Amino acid sequence: GENVEQHPSTLSVQEGDSAVIKCTYSDSASNYFPWYKQELGKRPQLIIDIRSNVGEKKDQRIAVTLNKTAKHFSLHITETQPEDSAVYFCAASRGSGDKLTFGTGTRLAVRP
Amino acid sequence: NAGVMQNPRHLVRRRGQEARLRCSPMKGHSHVYWYRQLPEEGLKFMVYLQKENIIDESGMPKERFSAEFPKEGPSILRIQQVVRGDSAAYFCASSFTSGGALNEQFFGPGTRLTVL
Repeated sequence: GENVEQHPSTLSVQEGDSAVIKCTYSDSASNYFPWYKQELGKRPQLIIDIRSNVGEKKDQRIAVTLNKTAKHFSLHITETQPEDSAVYFCAASRGSGDKLTFGTGTRLAVRP
Repeated sequence: NAGVMQNPRHLVRRRGQEARLRCSPMKGHSHVYWYRQLPEEGLKFMVYLQKENIIDESGMPKERFSAEFPKEGPSILRIQQVVRGDSAAYFCASSFTSGGALNEQFFGPGTRLTVL
């Protein structure tokens, strides 16, 4: 089955700096890669996703890159703000109707 | 458009009791997924259902756990004879898939199960 590894497990940055979280996956059939943000005691919320036919996708301060050959994808948050502090999870899926396999999460702390 | 609904939000059970968790998907969504999140851990897939069908239950323990998504009403995750190790947050997610184009899964607020 699919295995998703995520690094780092914790990340502390100064407000305004950039944050990068990296994930690798094992199943070459995976073609959908979402990122979720989870605040303490809340539900995971989809913040951005990328499909295997695209190498990069950007939405304001958030961007995701995908390297299918190397089987890794990354989340980039620029100009971080204190409200970006949360746990971020990457996930991989084979697509339509398939389950999500999650990484172990990255706890991001943005210092004011 | 209401999001994914789950109830109860918090559930306390004593060892040996049954826990019944309910999930109503987003309007128009016909796919339901259940995930479990242990404290300080990531989400683990349990089961994937469509109306009246279990599609993938590979993540669900073979004993004590069952799930259904009837033609009418919410999806239900049932845990019989709960043990302390069942204490976790159980999240339901739903998606709409047409022709394989859309995969986004939207999560409900979760049910936090505490077993005393």
